[in-house]
Amino acid sequence: EDKVVQSPLSLVVHEGDTVTLNCSYEVTNFRSLLWYKQEKKAPTFLFMLTSSGIEKKSGRLSSILDKKELFSILNITATQTGDSAVYLCAVGASGTSGTYKYIFGTGTRLKVLA
Amino acid sequence: ETGVTQSPTHLIKTRGQQVTLRCSSQSGHNTVSWYQQALGQGPQFIFQYYREEENGRGNFPPRFSGLQFPNYSSELNVNALELDDSALYLCASSFLSSSYTFGSGTRLTVV
Repeated sequence: EDKVVQSPLSLVVHEGDTVTLNCSYEVTNFRSLLWYKQEKKAPTFLFMLTSSGIEKKSGRLSSILDKKELFSILNITATQTGDSAVYLCAVGASGTSGTYKYIFGTGTRLKVLA
Repeated sequence: ETGVTQSPTHLIKTRGQQVTLRCSSQSGHNTVSWYQQALGQGPQFIFQYYREEENGRGNFPPRFSGLQFPNYSSELNVNALELDDSALYLCASSFLSSSYTFGSGTRLTVV
């Protein structure tokens, strides 16, 4: 059965700290890995990763994928209170009959203290 | 370009009742996926619709059903509601295998 595991489940840090969130997966017919930030309701898109070893960067956030070891990390440097959220990892997998779905991990709940 | 809109935002239903949730997909997107997110959990895949046909289904019973319309909007229907159906229901639209754009969700409470 396909699964996506995120760690840690929760994290409390102080402003200015750097955090690393982990996502490992076991998925048949892997196509892509996505990171989302969920603050209240709708998850908002952060990154899509399809190739190993290529870092994607957006401001203080960066992410990289290792398709050999089946994991990805999301780094946040110089954290701010506005980074407090649940970070979701989702793996895209293709199935039979052209289906394509995303399997989500449980998320990492990050709290940044002022 | 409009985003994904869901209605209603909140809903309270009694056990055994039926509910219909609605989703309008983002302009240009032809695929709609529905997810159930229980408190403290990640979203769980319910099913996906493409070209008005169910195009993949997660581990949910048949009382969860859906529709997609020619304009790509979609409905999620749940019959015989159970207390465990209480959750945030998220609709996501995409174009083929692009990343999802999520709606704000419908918070369903079953009492």
